Amino acid sequence: SQQGEEDPQALSIQEGENATMNCSYKTSINNLQWYRQNSGRGLVHLILIRSNEREKHSGRLRVTLDTSKKSSSLLITASRAADTASYFCATDKDSSYKLIFGSGTRLLVRP
Amino acid sequence: DTAVSQTPKYLVTQMGNDKSIKCEQNLGHDTMYWYKQDSKKFLKIMFSYNNKELIINETVPNRFSPKSPDKAHLNLHINSLELGDSAVYFCASSHSLLQGRNGYTFGSGTRLTVV
Repeated sequence: SQQGEEDPQALSIQEGENATMNCSYKTSINNLQWYRQNSGRGLVHLILIRSNEREKHSGRLRVTLDTSKKSSSLLITASRAADTASYFCATDKDSSYKLIFGSGTRLLVRP
Repeated sequence: DTAVSQTPKYLVTQMGNDKSIKCEQNLGHDTMYWYKQDSKKFLKIMFSYNNKELIINETVPNRFSPKSPDKAHLNLHINSLELGDSAVYFCASSHSLLQGRNGYTFGSGTRLTVV
């Protein structure tokens, strides 16, 4: 079964608006990561948040982590058309050396 | 310079054929992975190798055989291809097994279509 599940599955917003995507997972983790996948391309690592962190920023990205709820959110502020992509969360189980990905949120930013 | 490169980018083949996908990384990483992404975008790990040694084999049919001639290369050979093997296959690498927890570098994928 998938460790992470993103919500919503698809999101369409206007350029300049903020986009929020959520991720839920099932087991205890060391880190949670977010990746972006442009159409027809590989995944690109965006940001990592450790299990003892609650919030992290990187440019227009803000990630939060709530380990009690086993959930994370990715906020993209002031979205641009170039942000159009699929966004995946990935977690590593506490004792595992593999990353387990969610099913992704497809973000469309309309110009 | 491409960090993780896969070839071919597209592969169309008939059922029953045998095919290989190649992956090379020039990052000096010790650990490499194969992931399969299905039509619903689910990404599932298949294999990982660390310094040419198999670490993870995620209950993949034995028609799939990874081969790592050195730590910079991890190839995937698939025998007797089936329709259900159609997917995008991604190669990835990380500094080490432990550093994999900090993130992977992915190739651009190989879209395999079995007809």
